[in-house]
Amino acid sequence: GAVVSQHPSWVICKSGTSVKIECRSLDFQATTMFWYRQFPKQSLMLMATSNEGSKATYEQGVEKDKFLINHASLTLSTLTVTSAHPEDSSFYICSSQETSDYEQYFGPGTRLTVT
Amino acid sequence: KNEVEQSPQNLTAQEGEFITINCSYSVGISALHWLQQHPGGGIVSLFMLSSGKKKHGRLIATINIQEKHSSLHITASHPRDSAVYICAVKRFIQGGSEKLVFGKGMKLTVNP
Repeated sequence: GAVVSQHPSWVICKSGTSVKIECRSLDFQATTMFWYRQFPKQSLMLMATSNEGSKATYEQGVEKDKFLINHASLTLSTLTVTSAHPEDSSFYICSSQETSDYEQYFGPGTRLTVT
Repeated sequence: KNEVEQSPQNLTAQEGEFITINCSYSVGISALHWLQQHPGGGIVSLFMLSSGKKKHGRLIATINIQEKHSSLHITASHPRDSAVYICAVKRFIQGGSEKLVFGKGMKLTVNP
C-alpha cells in the first residue's frame, strides 16, 4: 500500500527557534497534501491544505506566517514552525492525497515539544 | 453538535469478542474513512467507503448513506486491536473542494 513518511518523528526545541517537518509520499504522487495538528485526547484539526506548486490554504485561526508550508514537488511537503512557543507543542500529522484516485494516506506524525 | 459523532467513546472488551464501533454524521459526504491510531500516535487508514461494505481480514466496515451512519466491526478481537478508532468524513466545502472532518475517536482496549 501507499506509504507516507514524516521526518523527524519527534523533536524538542527551545522557544524562539524554528523547526521544519518533512512529509514525503514514498511510492505515489500527491498533488494535494494536508497538515493536521492533534492536541492530547483531542481529534485531528486541519491546519492547511497544500497543493503542489501553489500557495497553501490555511484554516481559520492558523497563522500562515508562523506555520510556513512549502509543497515544491509531487512527493514532498514541508511545514516549518517559526519562532516556536511552548503552546505550539503538539502532534503534527501530514496526509497525502493520491493524484490518481484521491485516496488519502496519513503519515506517522511528528511530536513537537517546545521548551 | 459535532458533524461526526462516534459511539461509544470508550470500550473495553475481552479477547475474542465481536466489537462494533458506530459513526453518525450530519453533512453531505463523498466518502467516509475509518482510521486507527495506536498509542504512539501514528495513523493507519483502514477503510475508505462511499457505499456498501468492505472487508479486510477481521475488519468489516459498512455505510448507510440514507441513514448517514457507518459501522466498523472487529471479529475475534485481539489485544493488538487496542487503539483509538477514528471516523472521518470527506465533506464538500465552498469552492468545490472537500475536506476531512474527524470524529473524536473511540478508545478500544482488548484484554487478554
